[in-house]
Amino acid sequence: QVQLVESGGGVVERGGSLRLSCTVSGFILRNFGMHWVRQAPGKGLEWVAFLRYDGRDELYADSVKGRFTISRDESNSELFLQMNSLTRDDTGVYYCAREGRGYSNFFEYWGQGALVTVSS
Amino acid sequence: SYVLTQSPSVSVAPGQTARIPCGGDNIATKTVQWYQQKPGQAPVLVIYYDSDRPSGIPERFSASNSGHTATLTIGRVEAGDEADYYCHVWDNSNDHHVFGGGTKLTVL
Repeated sequence: QVQLVESGGGVVERGGSLRLSCTVSGFILRNFGMHWVRQAPGKGLEWVAFLRYDGRDELYADSVKGRFTISRDESNSELFLQMNSLTRDDTGVYYCAREGRGYSNFFEYWGQGALVTVSS
Repeated sequence: SYVLTQSPSVSVAPGQTARIPCGGDNIATKTVQWYQQKPGQAPVLVIYYDSDRPSGIPERFSASNSGHTATLTIGRVEAGDEADYYCHVWDNSNDHHVFGGGTKLTVL
């Protein structure tokens, strides 16, 4: 059974840093592309970052490029999102999501989300 | 950058058919996904590759993609279908994923 569980959310001051974790089970990280998607309070979904199945390619939304870094620890089945230079616009629920099989480019499984609040 | 446009809301009576459009420039040249999100919950994939349903998604959920509009159709709508629905594409022109703004489906 595929499961994704995010952790590491919380309140951080503007300009600060935070690292989110996503612990997965039921599949092997190196076999699937992984993403982070976020949702500001009362707003829609926004794709944030992607890590290719082999770990050799990363992609980022323009709004986070240069500030956020996606990575993984295969041995512990964890996906990470390192977030630096946080602003109020980064406040929201962050979901990790797994792609479907192959180069599927869609989000088949989602975690329950981790809330990040950037305070002034 | 590529833009997907969704109406903010759609209302339908129980038992009727709901149609939720998603507009995009030549969207028919892209593959479209649809996600259902109920309040306080994570999104759930209901349609991928324009019209395929993941296992566990009822046959009442179907979709099409033509010209500049993709459409999610929900037949015999139930109270439990009330949710926000988001369309999504992969924009290979700039290697970005794009979501529509979402449509809130209200079951009257």
